[in-house]
Amino acid sequence: QKEVEQDPGPLSVPEGAIVSLNCTYSNSAFQYFMWYRQYSRKGPELLMYTYSSGNKEDGRFTAQVDKSSKYISLFIRDSQPSDSATYLCAITGGYQKVTFGIGTKLQVIP
Amino acid sequence: EAQVTQNPRYLITVTGKKLTVTCSQNMNHEYMSWYRQDPGLGLRQIYYSMNVEVTDKGDVPEGYKVSRKEKRNFPLILESPSPNQTSLYFCASSPQNSGANVLTFGAGSRLTVL
Repeated sequence: QKEVEQDPGPLSVPEGAIVSLNCTYSNSAFQYFMWYRQYSRKGPELLMYTYSSGNKEDGRFTAQVDKSSKYISLFIRDSQPSDSATYLCAITGGYQKVTFGIGTKLQVIP
Repeated sequence: EAQVTQNPRYLITVTGKKLTVTCSQNMNHEYMSWYRQDPGLGLRQIYYSMNVEVTDKGDVPEGYKVSRKEKRNFPLILESPSPNQTSLYFCASSPQNSGANVLTFGAGSRLTVL
């Protein structure tokens, strides 16, 4: 079983839709949960991170962590064509190794 | 501008010809790491370094070497490249003052080994 599972998609939605991206993980020791966005031909860049269970909001983006289910989500409200990218979840127990999901490719159609 | 710089961005080489991919960061970060990204496999860690002269293997270290002689530089060395090392490589760094180990990535180096 992989430490982090993520559906690779692709996911195609119309502009303005609410997007839900998800990952599951297996190691209950993980404490920090991150989402990176990767545009084509670019390196990943951090969108947001959360510590432990709960929600965190940043503009149109909301990250949600449910440690009891080992499930993390990223919601994008009012999706825009500029949100078209690959979204990678990333999880760490702290400081050292960061384990990435495979990434979900999102396309927002105008 | 705070950034991680990798060179070269694109490289085509032949089997067995030694090459080095350079990585430099200007943020005074202690932690640096190399990843490779392959379709269907995602990002996999090759090597990482917690500080100068301290390096350790990641998940896929075979066929690679690294060194950390200065804080800002973390080159990736392929002593005898093989076609299975054809991949997209990313260098990343973090300040290691946060438990989240938030990484700043370079733009990537696409390597093709013939």
